Amino acid sequence: EVQLVQSGAEVKKPGESLKISCKGSGYRFSNYWIGWVRQVSGKGLEWMGIIYPGDSDTRYSPSFQGQVTISADKSITTAYLQWSSLKASDTAIYYCARPTGGGGNGADAFDIWGQGTMVTVSS
Amino acid sequence: IVMTQSPATLSVSPGERATLSCRASQSVSSNLAWYQQKPGQAPRLLIYGASTRATGIPARFSGSGSGTEFTLTISSLQSEDFAVYYCQQYNSWRLTFGGGTKVEIK
Repeated sequence: EVQLVQSGAEVKKPGESLKISCKGSGYRFSNYWIGWVRQVSGKGLEWMGIIYPGDSDTRYSPSFQGQVTISADKSITTAYLQWSSLKASDTAIYYCARPTGGGGNGADAFDIWGQGTMVTVSS
Repeated sequence: IVMTQSPATLSVSPGERATLSCRASQSVSSNLAWYQQKPGQAPRLLIYGASTRATGIPARFSGSGSGTEFTLTISSLQSEDFAVYYCQQYNSWRLTFGGGTKVEIK
């Protein structure tokens, strides 16, 4: 079964760092892009960026460039989303997702989604 | 590319047809997907390529359009269809989602 399993909920203080994970299984991890999507409570979906684990090619939405870092370790089939200094406005659910097709430039629909990681940033 | 969905909320009775709209600020060809999201769940892909149903999606869901105007139609709403629906363009790697349409029980 193809699936993405994300790390658990996090509660952090402003200014702290954080790295959440997304582990892929049931498919050739290196050959498919992995994207990250933010959803603030009660709001819509925002695409943050995408990474190709095969060569670590990474692209960011202009809204998130410089605010987060996306990475991947293909040896353990895991992608990451990290912050160096969290803000209260980072409080949201974060989803990782895999496109329907492998390769390409990452521009695709997402058919496999992780369960989401809730990140709460509060003093 | 800005994606605009309308209406924001759609009140429909079970068994009725629901028509949701999505407009792109510039042409995205047929590179358009629709997702369904229920409370507490991750989004689920319904339609890609503007009109192709994803695996396991019932035939009552259909998508149409190309360029800048797209429509998702649910032919006969079932109780499990009440949810929020999002469109997403993938004409370029700078993917964008619409703001969503909530389909609620009338």
